[in-house]
Amino acid sequence: EIVMTQSPAALSVSPGERATLSCRASQSFSTSLAWYQQKPGQAPRLLIYGASTRATGIPARFSGSGSGTEFTLTISSLQSEDFAVYYCLQYNNWPQWTFGQGTKVEIK
Amino acid sequence: EVQMVESGGNLVQPGGSLRLSCVASGFTFSTYAMNWVRQAPGKGLEWVSGVSDSGDNTYYADSVKGRFTISRDNSKNTLYLQMNSLRVEDTAVYYCANVQRLSLWGKGTTVTVSS
Repeated sequence: EIVMTQSPAALSVSPGERATLSCRASQSFSTSLAWYQQKPGQAPRLLIYGASTRATGIPARFSGSGSGTEFTLTISSLQSEDFAVYYCLQYNNWPQWTFGQGTKVEIK
Repeated sequence: EVQMVESGGNLVQPGGSLRLSCVASGFTFSTYAMNWVRQAPGKGLEWVSGVSDSGDNTYYADSVKGRFTISRDNSKNTLYLQMNSLRVEDTAVYYCANVQRLSLWGKGTTVTVSS
C-alpha cells in the first residue's frame, strides 16, 4: 500500500500571500497524483491531476509539481475563497486510491 | 448534465445493514470503473471499495472486507454499496466517485451507526 503524507497539517496564510503544500509518497509512482479542495459540507473539488495539470475551470493561481515521491501544490496568491482543506490523492495503484490526511489552510 | 447522486444513507444500529445507491447521468456509466470513498466526521477521505466497468472485478479496503459488497447495474446507470454488520466506526459521509474522471464525485450520503 502506498502511504501519502501531507505537510503541514495546518497552514496560516494572509490573503494575497503564497501557500505551499506538500505531499510525500512512501513509494515512487511517477505522476498519478491529484489535488482536491474541500470546504465544509461539500464534496471534494478536483484542482490538479497528473501532478501538474489544472482541472477545467481552476484558476491559474493553483499549480502542481513533482513526481516520484515528492509533490507540491502552490497557491500563488491566496483569495478568500481558497481557505479550505486540501487533499492529495494517489491514483496510480487503482483500485486502491490513497489520500493524504489533508492540510487545512486558514486565514492568518 | 453530468452528475452522480447518492442516496440510501440513514441512522442504523450497530450490526445493522444499509444499501447505498449512486445514480449516474450525463455520461456513459458502463465504460467507467467506480469507487466509493467515505469521510468520517471531522476526518479525512478514505477509499472504501471499487468496481470495474463491467462489474466483474471488485475491490475492498481491509476495514470493510467481508462486510461490504459493491455492485453495479449498468442498465440502470447505478452503483451500489451493500453494507452489513455495520459498526460505529462506519459512520461517515459516503461518496461515489468516477475512477477515470477524477472531477466527477457525488455530493454524498450520510450514514450514522449508533444505538
